[in-house]
Amino acid sequence: AQSVAQPEDQVNVAEGNPLTVKCTYSVSGNPYLFWYVQYPNRGLQFLLKYITGDNLVKGSYGFEAEFNKSQTSFHLKKPSALVSDSALYFCAVRDNYQLIWGAGTKLIIKP
Amino acid sequence: DSGVTQTPKHLITATGQRVTLRCSPRSGDLSVYWYQQSLDQGLQFLIQYYNGEERAKGNILERFSAQQFPDLHSELNLSSLELGDSALYFCASSLGVAGELFFGEGSRLTVL
Repeated sequence: AQSVAQPEDQVNVAEGNPLTVKCTYSVSGNPYLFWYVQYPNRGLQFLLKYITGDNLVKGSYGFEAEFNKSQTSFHLKKPSALVSDSALYFCAVRDNYQLIWGAGTKLIIKP
Repeated sequence: DSGVTQTPKHLITATGQRVTLRCSPRSGDLSVYWYQQSLDQGLQFLIQYYNGEERAKGNILERFSAQQFPDLHSELNLSSLELGDSALYFCASSLGVAGELFFGEGSRLTVL
């Protein structure tokens, strides 16, 4: 069965430092992978997706994600964290017509 | 602004009651999805419609039902409400069945 794992419930990073939010997946066939962000009391916002092509995908707000087929990972990264990046981040993989969601990772950026 | 509109934003009701949540998708989007987000259960997929037809069903209770109308707006009906139904209910839309989703701001339901 298709699945997505976000192994960290929470990630703490100092402002200005690089950040990584981890995601691993299990799918049959080629994965369609997504990252979304949810700010407090808001709906989810699409950040970026991987369908095919370059393993490094660039998205909104300076975020990027690296697709690694051998490690079945799709980690979200940003070179320099901002306090405003503090939010809940969700990884998802497409399974036919549905998205399979990770449990979410709370990212806290400390000044 | 995602272009997806949900009403009401907040709703407080009593156990046993019935409520209807409404969603207007982005202009041109044919797919509508409903999700439930509880504090301790993350994001739970409820149901998906595509151009008026039910496309996929997730963990939707029998007390819940949904439909998508010819103008593509959708409604989620929740009946015989229980305390545990208190949650954020999100609607999302997409152009087709495989693209990224665009989420509304959610309807926060509190059942007392």
